[in-house]
Amino acid sequence: QQQVKQSPQSLIVQKGGISIINCAYENTAFDYFPWYQQFPGKGPALLIAIRPDVSEKKEGRFTISFNKSAKQFSLHIMDSQPGDSATYFCAASMAGKLIFGQGTELSVKP
Amino acid sequence: GAVVSQHPSRVICKSGTSVKIECRSLDFQATTMFWYRQFPKQSLMLMATSNEGSKATYEQGVEKDKFLINHASLTLSTLTVTSAHPEDSSFYICSAIGASGLDEQFFGPGTRLTVL
Repeated sequence: QQQVKQSPQSLIVQKGGISIINCAYENTAFDYFPWYQQFPGKGPALLIAIRPDVSEKKEGRFTISFNKSAKQFSLHIMDSQPGDSATYFCAASMAGKLIFGQGTELSVKP
Repeated sequence: GAVVSQHPSRVICKSGTSVKIECRSLDFQATTMFWYRQFPKQSLMLMATSNEGSKATYEQGVEKDKFLINHASLTLSTLTVTSAHPEDSSFYICSAIGASGLDEQFFGPGTRLTVL
């Protein structure tokens, strides 16, 4: 019940394309859903986050879509760039504690 | 944005020795700090939650006598890996939540521990 399942494990996208990463959770007590970007050897950095009372949130090229009934949420990266190549983690929070998904290694080809 | 630092960034030690990792919130007071461990190509796993002035709460399966956590002030938490062994080699990352109590965790840059 505490798991957050993330897919795909790896993703290759052409420059300018859309990158889509999906996550699913079981525990309806989760109340905050952030996405993090991590470069090799660095700590994760918050990209964008959403709460379950909102179905979509957009910040620049990054959009979270949230489906509360299906207990799923996804990250869309529009106009993907080589600089977006990194590992992306979804997470779910309950009482301040984050449970991370398994991660998606994104590679954007020029 | 809020900044969290970690020191050292890399440490190599011999098996059986103890290593201390510091986590500092530089421009805010952190009421709660978290410690994570990340093995290569894997996700972040929460090890423990520490609140200033109180004992840390460890996740299931994490040995509290091996991973000593101290949160002595609102800007500093330390993780000491006692009697380190090669299987403790990992990337250790801390994060902090400010006094506002909002959900956003600010992550440090991580510490790479290698135990020979």
